[in-house]
Amino acid sequence: TQLLEQSPQFLSIQEGENLTVYCNSSSVFSSLQWYRQEPGEGPVLLVTVVTGGEVKKLKRLTFQFGDARKDSSLHITAAQPGDTGLYLCAGADARRAGNMLTFGGGTRLMVKP
Amino acid sequence: EAGVAQSPRYKIIEKRQSVAFWCNPISGHATLYWYQQILGQGPKLLIQFQNNGVVDDSQLPKDRFSAERLKGVDSTLKIQPAKLEDSAVYLCASSADRGYGYTFGSGTRLTVV
Repeated sequence: TQLLEQSPQFLSIQEGENLTVYCNSSSVFSSLQWYRQEPGEGPVLLVTVVTGGEVKKLKRLTFQFGDARKDSSLHITAAQPGDTGLYLCAGADARRAGNMLTFGGGTRLMVKP
Repeated sequence: EAGVAQSPRYKIIEKRQSVAFWCNPISGHATLYWYQQILGQGPKLLIQFQNNGVVDDSQLPKDRFSAERLKGVDSTLKIQPAKLEDSAVYLCASSADRGYGYTFGSGTRLTVV
């Protein structure tokens, strides 16, 4: 069973602060996705990273895929209250039937004004 | 384009009763997934369909859960009989390519009392 560990599980910060969320595994993934989920809604895809060492930026969010494709990080600069939510990483393994995604346990972020 | 539609949004049942959830994926998406998300955890895959065939149902508790995707479009997930530990949000997702760019519905929140 492939496991994805996310840390921290909970994070409460003030508006304007920076933060980093980590997603780690002992398994290699062919790709890794980050989702954001708000209460009462399904997860919404933020980004997909495919290449080891890849860095993608989405406005104030920076995503990095580890060189060995076993880990990833999400860095948010100058967090805003609108960033509040549950951040989920999910890894796909092309060698497995269906290339299905395995999700981490999530990081619950609260940004206080 | 229209998103993934799920119904009902909420359901409260007594233990040992049965319940069914419905999902209509994005038009043209061949792959459909059902996930279970227990409060405070990341989604866990229950079953994956490719068109109307099952790709992976290894984590589906088959003694009480069943799912079908007739004609490769809509899908239903049934629980019979329900247990207290089945209380969770049941998420349906679809994708055009397996493992990439999932679009989730808003989910059905099930409470078993």
